[in-house]
Amino acid sequence: DIVMTQGALPNPVPSGESASITCQSSKSLLHSNGKTYLNWYLQRPGQSPQLLIYWMSTRASGVSDRFSGSGSGTDFTLKISSVEAEDVGVYYCQQFLEYPLTFGSGTKLEIK
Amino acid sequence: EVQLVESGGGLVQPGRSLKLSCAASGFTFSNYGMAWVCQAPTKGLEWVASISTGGGNTYYRDSVKGRFTISRDNAKNTLYLQMDSLRSEDTATYYCARRSLLPGYVMDAWGQGASVTVSS
Repeated sequence: DIVMTQGALPNPVPSGESASITCQSSKSLLHSNGKTYLNWYLQRPGQSPQLLIYWMSTRASGVSDRFSGSGSGTDFTLKISSVEAEDVGVYYCQQFLEYPLTFGSGTKLEIK
Repeated sequence: EVQLVESGGGLVQPGRSLKLSCAASGFTFSNYGMAWVCQAPTKGLEWVASISTGGGNTYYRDSVKGRFTISRDNAKNTLYLQMDSLRSEDTATYYCARRSLLPGYVMDAWGQGASVTVSS
């Protein structure tokens, strides 16, 4: 199975500051079609997950441009510029190169 | 508006069965692959199973193979998860999720979740 490892944030993050969440995969997620098969999701407190970023760097419909995804085949970063109260929650990376689909353990964001 | 509504959760004894349903609306259900993802209390997300548009292809995580069955009824716009031989470690909130039409496996819509507790 592909193991996804996420880093922690130095919580709480001051409102208006930027935050970067890291994710590392045990195998390259670069598909033969040139796309990198990594998603980012946000799970706000008490809510179900929502898609933020797919193919490593493409924002989902309706997602603020404060969110951006980048990386290589195995190392990825979700950057949130100017964090706001509504950004609070747990962020998950997920690979979909192969089954079983696997998620990182999650990174919690708290705002000060 | 895309909606996914799970039902069928509850308290069940170890070794018994439970069947979850996920009613879909707001989109053409038969055009989309679907999945179940679970979340144990205070834990992260874990993919459980996936099914293709017509139901002919199914995929499971190893820990549920032979015990869980994912299925769908496109005429009823409903996804199912039959859970047999339940164990305490199956205790979790189970979300149904829609696989987008994009290349790869992007889950672009999620239900609110159904809680399953396996305990004697």
